Amino acid sequence: ETGVTQSPTHLIKTRGQQVTLRCSSQSGHNTVSWYQQALGQGPQFIFQYYREEENGRGNFPPRFSGLQFPNYSSELNVNALELDDSALYLCASSRGTEIYKTEAFFGQGTRLTVV
Amino acid sequence: GNSVTQMEGPVTLSEEAFLTINCTYTATGYPSLFWYVQYPGEGLQLLLKATKADDKGSNKGFEATYRKETTSFHLEKGSVQVSDSAVYFCALSNNAGNMLTFGGGTRLMVKP
Repeated sequence: ETGVTQSPTHLIKTRGQQVTLRCSSQSGHNTVSWYQQALGQGPQFIFQYYREEENGRGNFPPRFSGLQFPNYSSELNVNALELDDSALYLCASSRGTEIYKTEAFFGQGTRLTVV
Repeated sequence: GNSVTQMEGPVTLSEEAFLTINCTYTATGYPSLFWYVQYPGEGLQLLLKATKADDKGSNKGFEATYRKETTSFHLEKGSVQVSDSAVYFCALSNNAGNMLTFGGGTRLMVKP
């Protein structure tokens, strides 16, 4: 059983550019959630995907968008990058959408730096 | 909206000392409560959880009790080890269960 894998591990982008981050969910998991973790802070919920549809969104602007594919892997896209988007982006997969009934397994994250 | 407040770190303890990390929350409805741990160079891992008032979650010698009357979920361990050095996050889930709200994290450093 493979764990949650994210790519790339590190990324440097210029303000105004666009970025795509990728996440492969753990085997048997059909739900993927994305979180943003700024340095020294706790993770903040961006959105969750279930069966290729968005199933809940946090307080993030529309330039943060996502996709989930039939194999349950997922992408996070961020347009018009801003300096404040610099953070660790975490992906979590789970077997079902209700985290209290199941367990969310987190990847090691992608460290995005916007310059 | 929902929020979680936990004590700021770092917390520095000697091996075999007693650990308490305080966590309080604000939420509508009846959230579930969690403690996650982030070891150096690793992803977040679920340490324990409690889904209703007065439940006690426990794992690896850590425990926390869901106290609705004080809106708290303090993490405790009777005797810490060097290997417990990590960042600990308190979190709650919303009523739909699909979103976790995290506290700011507490770094624990255990010295031999």
